[in-house]
Amino acid sequence: KNEVEQSPQNLTAQEGEFITINCSYSVGISALHWLQQHPGGGIVSLFMLSSGKKKHGRLIATINIQEKHSSLHITASHPRDSAVYICAVALTGNQFYFGTGTSLTVIP
Amino acid sequence: NAGVTQTPKFQVLKTGQSMTLQCAQDMNHEYMSWYRQDPGMGLRLIHYSVGAGITDQGEVPNGYNVSRSTTEDFPLRLLSAAPSQTSVYFCASSPGLGASWWGSEKLFFGSGTQLSVL
Repeated sequence: KNEVEQSPQNLTAQEGEFITINCSYSVGISALHWLQQHPGGGIVSLFMLSSGKKKHGRLIATINIQEKHSSLHITASHPRDSAVYICAVALTGNQFYFGTGTSLTVIP
Repeated sequence: NAGVTQTPKFQVLKTGQSMTLQCAQDMNHEYMSWYRQDPGMGLRLIHYSVGAGITDQGEVPNGYNVSRSTTEDFPLRLLSAAPSQTSVYFCASSPGLGASWWGSEKLFFGSGTQLSVL
């Protein structure tokens, strides 16, 4: 059983489109992270959320603790946004559980 | 700052061989961890440490050993490699607030090690 479910698994978009990636989790958490894994394999941390909403450039992340759901939005998508986006939840303790990722391809 | 330095990038082992994956960070982070990434599965925690001299098991610890003698280094040892350990391995660190590391704004990952066990 996976505590973290992401949707969709794969996503193809035209450049300029608004993109939404969803993350649902089944356990109580203290924080949620969104990560970006580049085609070369490197992983970069995008956001940490414990409540509400955060924005960085064209990226917006929201979390609803009561509904156990988070979304990552990309406005005005660009081919350089093509990557795998991973949701990770931090339990109280020292453990993380990761989603399997959403593979995004943005076509020029 | 170099961030998190992970070596080697690629390694091929024969069944039964042992090896150590190196991980070092120069950010004075308390929390360090090792993950493996397999196709169709999310990253899974192998072992973690909340400070020098303190380590604990994660979700998939069997066949792996760790130690944390300094704040900077957190090596992962494969004692007797098996084909099931073929995977991509990532080291990560975080500033942490004692044991409350999950409140950190960022996780810092190494570049990964692609390990094949034949």
